Amino acid sequence: DIQMTQSPSSLAASVGDTVTITCRASQSVGNFLNWYRQRPGEAPQLLIYRASTLQSGVPSRFAGRGSGTDFSLAISSLQPDDYAIYYCQQSYSTGTFGPGTRVEVK
Amino acid sequence: QVQLVQSGAEVKKPGASVKISCQASGYNFMNYYMYWVRQAPGQGLEWVGAVNPVGGSTGTAQKFEGRLTMTRDTTASTVYMELKNLRSEDTAVYYCARAVAGRGYYFDFWGQGTLVTVS
Repeated sequence: DIQMTQSPSSLAASVGDTVTITCRASQSVGNFLNWYRQRPGEAPQLLIYRASTLQSGVPSRFAGRGSGTDFSLAISSLQPDDYAIYYCQQSYSTGTFGPGTRVEVK
Repeated sequence: QVQLVQSGAEVKKPGASVKISCQASGYNFMNYYMYWVRQAPGQGLEWVGAVNPVGGSTGTAQKFEGRLTMTRDTTASTVYMELKNLRSEDTAVYYCARAVAGRGYYFDFWGQGTLVTVS
């Protein structure tokens, strides 16, 4: 099975900051890497699919990069709605999720 | 608009079974696989399995093999997930989510989640 890791596990930031979350796969997943945001008490929401494609309706302050085993999600101009947990997921083989990165108020 | 509406919360005893439904609307049910993802309290997301509405074939995460059954009713645009021989560690919110089939899929719509408590 492909294992996913994320770093950091949590970070603290202020509104307006730019934050970057990284995700690493235990083997190459090509560009089959998705990012989701989960606000408290809600279902996850798709932000980025296939590593860098912005899902329809998602603000352009979200940007995904990477291929192979190393990926990143950048959030520019952090908004109050962005305090949440972010998960990466590979869809190269079944669908392993990363452990999540919590973005908290600084 | 696309909606996935799940059945309500369940409380079950260890060893029992639970069956959850997910009714889809707002799109062609036959064009998308339906997946199940679960989230234990305070924990991350875990891929459970998937069902192809065309033909009903399924794929299950290895840890659930033998305990998980996924079915669909195409006339009702509904998929079902039944988990048997429940254990306390199966306590979780179970989500359905749709995706186009194949490598590189992604979950663009999710149900609201169904809390299953095993106690």
